[in-house]
Amino acid sequence: DAGVIQSPRHEVTEMGQEVTLRCKPISGHNSLFWYRQTMMRGLELLIYFNNNVPIDDSGMPEDRFSAKMPNASFSTLKIQPSEPRDSAVYFCASSSQQTSEQYFGPGTRLTVT
Amino acid sequence: QQPVQSPQAVILREGEDAVINCSSSKALYSVHWYRQKHGEAPVFLMILLKGGEQKGHEKISASFNEKKQQSSLYLTASQLSYSGTYFCGTENSGNTPLVFGKGTRLSVIA
Repeated sequence: DAGVIQSPRHEVTEMGQEVTLRCKPISGHNSLFWYRQTMMRGLELLIYFNNNVPIDDSGMPEDRFSAKMPNASFSTLKIQPSEPRDSAVYFCASSSQQTSEQYFGPGTRLTVT
Repeated sequence: QQPVQSPQAVILREGEDAVINCSSSKALYSVHWYRQKHGEAPVFLMILLKGGEQKGHEKISASFNEKKQQSSLYLTASQLSYSGTYFCGTENSGNTPLVFGKGTRLSVIA
């Protein structure tokens, strides 16, 4: 298996622009997690899905953030409009069950200028 | 509730041992341990479940003390490849997502 796939790997954008991050989980995994990692706040859970259904989005910082999982093999995290404080590494992870080991993608490094 | 990890950072010489602690103010259902190398994604090491035994992974093992609501990661005879940031993730019940600690940065030098 190719593991969790994320794209793009790097994104540089200007404040106010829309940003879409993409994730393909490991085939057969039914839980998907979006995390944000910064030096100051560490690894924060933004939202997670179980069987394509959002279960907990309490970590989504603001209404500017939204996430979808239209099918078992694809998820997006969208930021609109983006702000400089959104600069971080965004990881997607998947697991076979909600409480089992998570496999992380390589991450998307987002820089908002 | 974010677990607290200690120490925040540690420097070891090759062959030395280290212990990383993870504690929670709430009852724990499970503890997960991950290692992240610089510029890479976190990689799963092991899970310890409530009522489970101490686990091992090469020369890295961990214990889970339910009463004290804490887990410890033991690294013995450290190697250069052990360098990285170690995160614990805790679950308070079987249906809650992981909450990660801020990490412990481990540097192993020759």
